[in-house]
Amino acid sequence: AQSVTQLDSHVSVSEGTPVLLRCNYSSSYSPSLFWYVQHPNKGLQLLLKYTSAATLVKGINGFEAEFKKSETSFHLTKPSAHMSDAAEYFCVVSSNFGNEKLTFGTGTRLTIIP
Amino acid sequence: EAQVTQNPRYLITVTGKKLTVTCSQNMNHEYMSWYRQDPGLGLRQIYYSMNVEVTDKGDVPEGYKVSRKEKRNFPLILESPSPNQTSLYFCASSLWYGGGVSDTQYFGPGTRLTVL
Repeated sequence: AQSVTQLDSHVSVSEGTPVLLRCNYSSSYSPSLFWYVQHPNKGLQLLLKYTSAATLVKGINGFEAEFKKSETSFHLTKPSAHMSDAAEYFCVVSSNFGNEKLTFGTGTRLTIIP
Repeated sequence: EAQVTQNPRYLITVTGKKLTVTCSQNMNHEYMSWYRQDPGLGLRQIYYSMNVEVTDKGDVPEGYKVSRKEKRNFPLILESPSPNQTSLYFCASSLWYGGGVSDTQYFGPGTRLTVL
């Protein structure tokens, strides 16, 4: 079984300040983990992914995430928020054995305050 | 251009009238899947397919059917739509290496379905 919990449904930060979007996961096996972004009225785009290589993963647009197995977490961070980061972010898990499902979190809406 | 296409993009229908939403990809991907997106619930997987003639249920398959007769196409069929199937639907595709889904999903633009 697998599941994802995004701990905040809505995060607001000021432009130029750090961003932290939190994600905890549950997986029976070694997981693959992803962050996707959805801008208003758009489709989804991959930000970054972890697939059992380096635990600190760098993605597009200055985002990064760290896989912490002991904490079952995969939090998304960015040092300095930009107005264009305003969007909805989804954490996604796939267990690397036993099933081919993808499970999405319920999403975190990021608002950037000018 | 590498892409996933969905048709129609918008559809308003009535309860019980069978409909099909088409999905096609031009990247020779093995893995294809359908999701529905509802406010506060994120995306939930309806069905997925690892290759031609291989499909399986996701987390919310009730009321939906799929088929995978060709590698590039993965239509979603609602045989008797009901108002609780009003939602935004996304198709996605990716490479598949076996043992879980580890590759990037490429999403279509979405189909907004309203069932009256």
